[in-house]
Amino acid sequence: EDQVTQSPEALRLQEGESSSLNCSYTVSGLRGLFWYRQDPGKGPEFLFTLYSAGEEKEKERLKATLTKKESFLHITAPKPEDSATYLCAAPGENAGNMLTFGGGTRLMVKP
Amino acid sequence: DTGVSQDPRHKITKRGQNVTFRCDPISEHNRLYWYRQTLGQGPEFLTYFQNEAQLEKSRLLSDRFSAERPKGSFSTLEIQRTEQGDSAMYLCARSSFGNEQFFGPGTRLTVL
Repeated sequence: EDQVTQSPEALRLQEGESSSLNCSYTVSGLRGLFWYRQDPGKGPEFLFTLYSAGEEKEKERLKATLTKKESFLHITAPKPEDSATYLCAAPGENAGNMLTFGGGTRLMVKP
Repeated sequence: DTGVSQDPRHKITKRGQNVTFRCDPISEHNRLYWYRQTLGQGPEFLTYFQNEAQLEKSRLLSDRFSAERPKGSFSTLEIQRTEQGDSAMYLCARSSFGNEQFFGPGTRLTVL
C-alpha cells in the first residue's frame, strides 16, 4: 500500500531561522513527488514537482530536494507569511494518478 | 487562480439531509478529481473522471456518495442522508497532460 509520511507534524520558527521539512514515501512506481502549500480554509496550492533522485527545485525561500526514499523542503530565512501547512503527495503506480498525501507539516513563523 | 471554482464554499446541513456540491474547471482539462480532507489531515482521494467517464472510486466513497461529470465539463458530488462523519472539506482538482493537480478552494461541509 502506498504511504507518504511527513515530519514534524508542527514546527515553530523565529523569523530568519532556517529549517527543513521531511517527507518519506513508500510508493510503487513513483511518478513524481509533489509539494503543496495550504493556508487555513483554502485548497492546496501547487509548489513543486520532483521526478528523480538528486533533483532540486527552488521558489523564493523554498527549495525542494528528492532522494530515493525521501524529499525535503528547505526553508531559508523564513518570514511570517510563510506560515502555512505544507503537504507532500505522490501519485503512485495507478493509471489515474490519484495522489496519496502525507498528513502535512504545520509551519508557524513568528516575527 | 488555479482554474477551478467550487460552489458553495460553505454548507451547513442537518443530519439526514442530502447535499450537492459543484466543481467547475476551466476547459481543456480532461481529468477531474474529488478529495476529502478532515481537520489536521492530508486530503484523501474519493473519485476521478477522465472526460465524462468515472474511472476510479475509493473505498471511502460509500453508496451514499455519487459523483457525475456530464459532458466532461463541470462535476457534481452528492451526499445522501448525511452523517456527522461526513463533515469535512471537499476538494476538487483538475489535471491535463502532466501529473500536476491544481485544486479549487474547496467546499466546507458541516453536518449538525
